[in-house]
Amino acid sequence: GESVGLHLPTLSVQEGDNSIINCAYSNSASDYFIWYKQESGKGPQFIIDIRSNMDKRQGQRVTVLLNKTVKHLSLQIAATQPGDSAVYFCAEIRTTSGTYKYIFGTGTRLKVLA
Amino acid sequence: EPEVTQTPSHQVTQMGQEVILRCVPISNHLYFYWYRQILGQKVEFLVSFYNNEISEKSEIFDDQFSVERPDGSNFTLKIRSTKLEDSAMYFCASSDLRGRDYGYTFGSGTRLTVV
Repeated sequence: GESVGLHLPTLSVQEGDNSIINCAYSNSASDYFIWYKQESGKGPQFIIDIRSNMDKRQGQRVTVLLNKTVKHLSLQIAATQPGDSAVYFCAEIRTTSGTYKYIFGTGTRLKVLA
Repeated sequence: EPEVTQTPSHQVTQMGQEVILRCVPISNHLYFYWYRQILGQKVEFLVSFYNNEISEKSEIFDDQFSVERPDGSNFTLKIRSTKLEDSAMYFCASSDLRGRDYGYTFGSGTRLTVV
């Protein structure tokens, strides 16, 4: 069936190192992907998005890579900081009924070690 | 920066009682959503709302749930007879015109505890 999932439930990285968070999706018809960050007690916060006609997009300290061949998405965070500690979700956008319903993955918890 | 505001931040209710969760979406947004997140689990879609009607709903959104936009600013989720398994974080979100920006803005959530 269709699913969006994450390879690793928890990722621990040293402050200053780069982080890579992975996500797999199974619906080849999905045309838009978003990474969200969720800090404890808060709602999901938009980080970066990518459309299916792109394979890479860069933001401030973050890069998202999309590999449609293997249906894989990754989020790279450069020079990870303590404030990056959170749960990261990828979300797959499926356009149905004229609205955009997100299908979220389970989430990866990123722990930044001092 | 515009925000989606949710009240209350925490609601405790007895099983079988009705609850109303309130949201004030971003003022120029036209699409409104409710999601929920059971503790330790992923965020799940409940319902989307556009042009004063439900656009889409999930299997979770059964007859116990309803949504309403009673005025030009509020968007509410009502659970008629709460069950223990309704305990979760409920997130409201809004977005602007589709085709231009798919990103939602989420509120900080209402933690619903059913006892």
